[in-house]
Amino acid sequence: EAQVTQNPRYLITVTGKKLTVTCSQNMNHEYMSWYRQDPGLGLRQIYYSMNVEVTDKGDVPEGYKVSRKEKRNFPLILESPSPNQTSLYFCASGVGLSTDTQYFGPGTRLTVL
Amino acid sequence: AQSVSQHNHHVILSEAASLELGCNYSYGGTVNLFWYVQYPGQHLQLLLKYFSGDPLVKGIKGFEAEFIKSKFSFNLRKPSVQWSDTAEYFCAVTINTNAGKSTFGDGTTLTVKP
Repeated sequence: EAQVTQNPRYLITVTGKKLTVTCSQNMNHEYMSWYRQDPGLGLRQIYYSMNVEVTDKGDVPEGYKVSRKEKRNFPLILESPSPNQTSLYFCASGVGLSTDTQYFGPGTRLTVL
Repeated sequence: AQSVSQHNHHVILSEAASLELGCNYSYGGTVNLFWYVQYPGQHLQLLLKYFSGDPLVKGIKGFEAEFIKSKFSFNLRKPSVQWSDTAEYFCAVTINTNAGKSTFGDGTTLTVKP
């Protein structure tokens, strides 16, 4: 089944404790992206990747890192999480450029205490 | 930089009522426009998209949207909503000259009363 998977789905952590949210897609898509969803703010793009070893900042990259060493994986790293990073995070992938349809993962709900 | 504005944050309708959700974007060049839907407990999924051609596009589940370039709008419509249309709806825009960048609106929560 074609899908985007994220792990973990739920995470409660404390300020400053490094964490990684994994994202994997099995559709051989070049494009992958991370978003955060907050009430009243919609989805805001954090980082995106056009292909392996190619990443770029979205609208809200501060406090996040990403890497794209393989086509299928695009982990989101929070080196020192803070409470304002409490959010619902979505990973997405797409064929070619982001100008086409994106396929979203199930989301990761992160709480930083 | 592009931006997207959705005017209705929460819409409540009765079944069989007609729906129109507003979406406006700000960008002077060529855009690609999308509506995504997030049903309760499910992933975001594409409802419909516009790249070029006929400005009236049809999507899944009876939804359609009309691109009006002069108004920078891409409003979503459905003639008769069902209880199962209860969801959150997001308008999104991308531009070819900045491939990779996607901008979403704030979302509109639609509640359909049976």
